[in-house]
Amino acid sequence: AQSVTQLGSHVSVSEGALVLLRCNYSSSVPPYLFWYVQYPNQGLQLLLKYTTGATLVKGINGFEAEFKKSETSFHLTKPSAHMSDAAEYFCAVSEAGTGNQFYFGTGTSLTVIP
Amino acid sequence: ETGVTQTPRHLVMGMTNKKSLKCEQHLGHNAMYWYKQSAKKPLELMFVYSLEERVENNSVPSRFSPECPNSSHLFLHLHTLQPEDSALYLCASSQGAGGNYGYTFGSGTRLTVV
Repeated sequence: AQSVTQLGSHVSVSEGALVLLRCNYSSSVPPYLFWYVQYPNQGLQLLLKYTTGATLVKGINGFEAEFKKSETSFHLTKPSAHMSDAAEYFCAVSEAGTGNQFYFGTGTSLTVIP
Repeated sequence: ETGVTQTPRHLVMGMTNKKSLKCEQHLGHNAMYWYKQSAKKPLELMFVYSLEERVENNSVPSRFSPECPNSSHLFLHLHTLQPEDSALYLCASSQGAGGNYGYTFGSGTRLTVV
């Protein structure tokens, strides 16, 4: 069975500092990996995804994530935090061939301190 | 505008009421989903429609009843709900039902059961 673990339900960073949001997954087959962002009173928006190919994936708003198979991780990073990055971030995984089932983590709330 | 529109944005209903949530997408996607988002819990997949065919989810109580009249519209009919059903209900769509497609989410309906 698949599962997604996001370490740290709350992360605070100073404006301009590095953002690192952690995601580990368990999967018995090659996974598809996703990061979503949710702003208050809105739905989830796709930030980036890894399916195949290059393991370093770049997304919107300056975010990127690296798929590390040996560590079963897909951590999200951004070199310099902006106030507008404050939101809830969700990691999700699905498996090739399983069709519609996505598994989401419990989310990490990012606070950016001026 | 995310491409997936949900109405209403907010809904307060009594436990004996019957109401419906509506979701509409004009992205040409052929798979649609209902998710429940409760505080401090992972997103819960409720129902999936792929090419207008429903994928059964046996863990969802019968007081929730989905309807997909065509590939652009999805409804969630609600009746005799419980207070614990209060949550944000998110609709999503995807290009295909394969696991490598990301979702496009609507902004959600905030449901409060009193």
